Amino acid sequence: GAGVSQSPRYKVAKRGQDVALRCDPISGHVSLFWYQQALGQGPEFLTYFQNEAQLDKSGLPSDRFFAERPEGSVSTLKIQRTQQEDSAVYLCASSLGGPVGNSPLHFGNGTRLTVT
Amino acid sequence: KNEVEQSPQNLTAQEGEFITINCSYSVGISALHWLQQHPGGGIVSLFMLSSGKKKHGRLIATINIQEKHSSLHITASHPRDSAVYICAVRESGGGADGLTFGKGTHLIIQP
Repeated sequence: GAGVSQSPRYKVAKRGQDVALRCDPISGHVSLFWYQQALGQGPEFLTYFQNEAQLDKSGLPSDRFFAERPEGSVSTLKIQRTQQEDSAVYLCASSLGGPVGNSPLHFGNGTRLTVT
Repeated sequence: KNEVEQSPQNLTAQEGEFITINCSYSVGISALHWLQQHPGGGIVSLFMLSSGKKKHGRLIATINIQEKHSSLHITASHPRDSAVYICAVRESGGGADGLTFGKGTHLIIQP
């Protein structure tokens, strides 16, 4: 596609429910990032993939958060046993090059997760 | 970790005014991004720069590496420029991500 696509656009989950958020990066983009953006705040890094390899997951807030990119294209961010503090916009971004290249980032429109 | 500070946090101006948004950071960087986020969450990359100045249409971004400071300017501002503008930096020799974001500047341009 022309840009980074995220789905669903909105997700409402009951506390304790598992959710899966999908990111379709721009075709051919090597790097894929997940960010969490709380209301009124800037995005916070969650995890980074270079192709299928998850090179950095230091930003994942707990072991309830899990991300994968098995074939080096589509990525899924899974949150198990959701809590109210997980409510945020989850942003996916991709870039053409690896981390050293400082390639421009292309963001998706995000998934707004509300945990009730 | 780099501390990224933006100012002002909120800015309301009249159409046509010259706008300046500032970003300062605490640790040396390899690149700085200016991003625009409209209501609804979508983020658009405006500039990526590591030195000097870049211009695109009515937008100008400058960076002073020695002073660890960047500015985003909007000339002849228009209501459609209303958005949150976010500064993000990539640290020199940073890890796989290395991006630290500011909290954003909420800009409203009134007609």
